Amino acid sequence: EAQVTQNPRYLITVTGKKLTVTCSQNMNHEYMSWYRQDPGLGLRQIYYSMNVEVTDKGDVPEGYKVSRKEKRNFPLILESPSPNQTSLYFCASSLLSQALGEQYFGPGTRLTVT
Amino acid sequence: AQSVSQHNHHVILSEAASLELGCNYSYGGTVNLFWYVQYPGQHLQLLLKYFSGDPLVKGIKGFEAEFIKSKFSFNLRKPSVQWSDTAEYFCAVILYSSASKIIFGSGTRLSIRP
Repeated sequence: EAQVTQNPRYLITVTGKKLTVTCSQNMNHEYMSWYRQDPGLGLRQIYYSMNVEVTDKGDVPEGYKVSRKEKRNFPLILESPSPNQTSLYFCASSLLSQALGEQYFGPGTRLTVT
Repeated sequence: AQSVSQHNHHVILSEAASLELGCNYSYGGTVNLFWYVQYPGQHLQLLLKYFSGDPLVKGIKGFEAEFIKSKFSFNLRKPSVQWSDTAEYFCAVILYSSASKIIFGSGTRLSIRP
């Protein structure tokens, strides 16, 4: 089954404690992206990757890191989480073509930073 | 700056009512347009998309959208809504000159009274 998986689905942590949210897709998609969803703000892109070892900043990259060492995986790293990073995070993937916008989304990770 | 506007933040309708959700974007070049739906507790799913050709596109579950280039709009419509259409709806735009950039609107929450 074609899918995007994220782990964990729920996470409560404390300020400053490094964490990683994993994202994996099994569709051989080149493009992967991380978004955060906040009430009234919709989805905002954090980082994206157009292929292995190619990453770039989205609209709200501050406080986040990513890596793309394998095509299927695109982890999101919060080196020193802060309460303003409490949000719902989605990973997405798509083919790097005109169908770029037809993205497949993961189930989401709800992060709470206290 | 490029942006996508969804002016209706929360729409409440009764079953069988007709629906129209607005989406406007600010960009003068070529765009690809999408509507995504997020049912309660679920991830985003593609509802419909426009790349080129007939500006009236039909999607899943009886939804359709019309691209009006002169108005920079891509409104979502459904002639008769059902309770199961209760969800959040996001308009998204890909800016063709920057193929990797997708911008989401802030979303419209649709509540259907049974």
